[in-house]
Amino acid sequence: EVQLVESGGGLVQPGGSLRLSCAASGFTFSIHKMHWVRQAPGKGLMWVSRIDLDGSHTSYVGSVQGRFTISRDNANSMLYLQMNSLRVEDTGVYYCTRDTDYWDVDYWGQGTQVTVSS
Amino acid sequence: DVVMTQSELSLAVALGQSASITCRSSRSLVHDSGNTYLSWFQQRPGQSPRRLIYKVSVRDFGVPDRFSGSGSGTDFTLKISRVEAEDVGIYYCMQGTHWPPGFIFGQGTKLEIK
Repeated sequence: EVQLVESGGGLVQPGGSLRLSCAASGFTFSIHKMHWVRQAPGKGLMWVSRIDLDGSHTSYVGSVQGRFTISRDNANSMLYLQMNSLRVEDTGVYYCTRDTDYWDVDYWGQGTQVTVSS
Repeated sequence: DVVMTQSELSLAVALGQSASITCRSSRSLVHDSGNTYLSWFQQRPGQSPRRLIYKVSVRDFGVPDRFSGSGSGTDFTLKISRVEAEDVGIYYCMQGTHWPPGFIFGQGTKLEIK
């Protein structure tokens, strides 16, 4: 069974940092691109970042470019999102999702809450 | 950039009736490969999103056949036949054809029981 379990969320002040983790199991992690998707409180879904199979290519939505860094550890089936210079508008639930190799995502984790507030 | 528009922000349907949710893209979603990468996700209250439909009309494993997707180019529809109480939630369309700018979601349509 495919499982994605996020952790690392919490309350942080504006300007602070957090590192999110996603533990993957039930599939061969190293052959799937991976993504982070954010959902602000009471709002819709917004794609945040993507990483390719070996981590050599990454992409970000414009609002987080230069502040967030996605990475992965294929040996341990882990996905990460390092978030620096956090802003109030970064608040939301962050989901780890699996790419299908067909310009799509299928499985989602349960999400981890990030709250940026003073 | 691609904009995905779901015109119905909310929909109230009686149990057993049908619901149609529409999604329009600002650009054609036909990929160079000839495929159209338009998916539909269901988010039940308090849960993570779950994919229902991909490539416009292909149902995911385990999704009831009451759910069907259709459309082409820029206009797409998710139809839910014989609505049940468990269908309550928010439904999102998502494009994957144009990259960058990455996956773009519609605003979501909230389905409620009348």
